[in-house]
Amino acid sequence: GAVVSQHPSRVICKSGTSVKIECRSLDFQATTMFWYRQFPKQSLMLMATSNEGSKATYEQGVEKDKFLINHASLTLSTLTVTSAHPEDSSFYICSAREGDSGNTIYFGEGSWLTVV
Amino acid sequence: DAKTTQPPSMDCAEGRAANLPCNHSTISGNEYVYWYRQIHSQGPQYIIHGLKNNETNEMASLIITEDRKSSTLILPHATLRDTAVYYCIAYNNNDMRFGAGTRLTVKP
Repeated sequence: GAVVSQHPSRVICKSGTSVKIECRSLDFQATTMFWYRQFPKQSLMLMATSNEGSKATYEQGVEKDKFLINHASLTLSTLTVTSAHPEDSSFYICSAREGDSGNTIYFGEGSWLTVV
Repeated sequence: DAKTTQPPSMDCAEGRAANLPCNHSTISGNEYVYWYRQIHSQGPQYIIHGLKNNETNEMASLIITEDRKSSTLILPHATLRDTAVYYCIAYNNNDMRFGAGTRLTVKP
């Protein structure tokens, strides 16, 4: 199947700093990408949906100024957690879809963020 | 909110078929039924998806009722490696939301 890669897989940052997580579709062009956050023993929570070349659509309760999403190309989306706090520590996961709905959506391996 | 409901947990004997149910009574006509599974600390793995017809691939079979209000994922010969949380999602376009899923435990 198609491959979606995230980098870094694990990152530790200091409180107050910003950290960027990359999501790449390796063998297809991702017109739509999704970002999720998952806390231990909980399900995935959708944070935002981004279409290539457009501004991301954020879910209610997700601060767009804190979680900056960029989807500037068909193979790369980035999530930047700005002014990180310990409560932002979580497992962040992206997924990507080629073309229209009905096409398979593939997920990245996830990125563990720890804010100290 | 997720549009699907699944039992929180199920057990299955190794080598037997695992049948995981999903209710999606409010699914709309253009929404697909997707199944993913997640093993601890990994990203979800795609299993199968369908719209109306039953589907089969190398991993599983998906049986969708005629009224599309429910579906069943079938793992024909479960192995210990199939122990995971299985998510059923009704999806069309920009709204892929996860429910709590079913924690399947395959036992020797």
